[in-house]
Amino acid sequence: DAMVIQNPRYQVTQFGKPVTLSCSQTLNHNVMYWYQQKSSQAPKLLFHYYDKDFNNEADTPDNFQSRRPNTSFCFLDIRSPGLGDAAMYLCATSRDGRGLSYNEQFFGPGTRLTVL
Amino acid sequence: GEDVEQSLFLSVREGDSSVINCTYTDSSSTYLYWYKQEPGAGLQLLTYIFSNMDMKQDQRLTVLLNKKDKHLSLRIADTQTGDSAIYFCAEGPGGYQKVTFGTGTKLQVIP
Repeated sequence: DAMVIQNPRYQVTQFGKPVTLSCSQTLNHNVMYWYQQKSSQAPKLLFHYYDKDFNNEADTPDNFQSRRPNTSFCFLDIRSPGLGDAAMYLCATSRDGRGLSYNEQFFGPGTRLTVL
Repeated sequence: GEDVEQSLFLSVREGDSSVINCTYTDSSSTYLYWYKQEPGAGLQLLTYIFSNMDMKQDQRLTVLLNKKDKHLSLRIADTQTGDSAIYFCAEGPGGYQKVTFGTGTKLQVIP
């Protein structure tokens, strides 16, 4: 089945220790998104890739970086995690909307990050 | 900026109808969405409505849109225990552009 996979499902890191979260997709979608979701809050878009073009949200801290080495994979790097970065991180994909209408995003199950 | 509001929790008895409500602030929203998240799984698109529509029905689901009041609702008829999940309202301009999500409403169905 075509899907969006996130690894690991649970990640524990120490304060200030860099951490990388991984997302892969078998849908061959050209757009990939990273969201941060804290408890009882809405998923917040951090950035997205349109093909290889990186699009950062204006309020995303510099501490968060991303890489997309190919269509299938996208990584979220947190350079120096703080306690406030503990959250669920969601990866999503969609197909280019040109010629289409609505934006259906396909989500992975998320990685829950704990910062000690 | 855009804002999407939902109540956090709703409890209904099996067989009753559920109504989940949502308000949004961006009057230029073109598409309004409902996503469903089951435990341990990612969000999944349940249905959507184009902004020039008032209502959309799909089997047990009815979406109502009041564009004047910027109010969206999702009605689930004959609610089943399998409908227990978190339901997210979202809005966006369409295409691959940014979609703004609400906080999600956790629906609990009591047998």
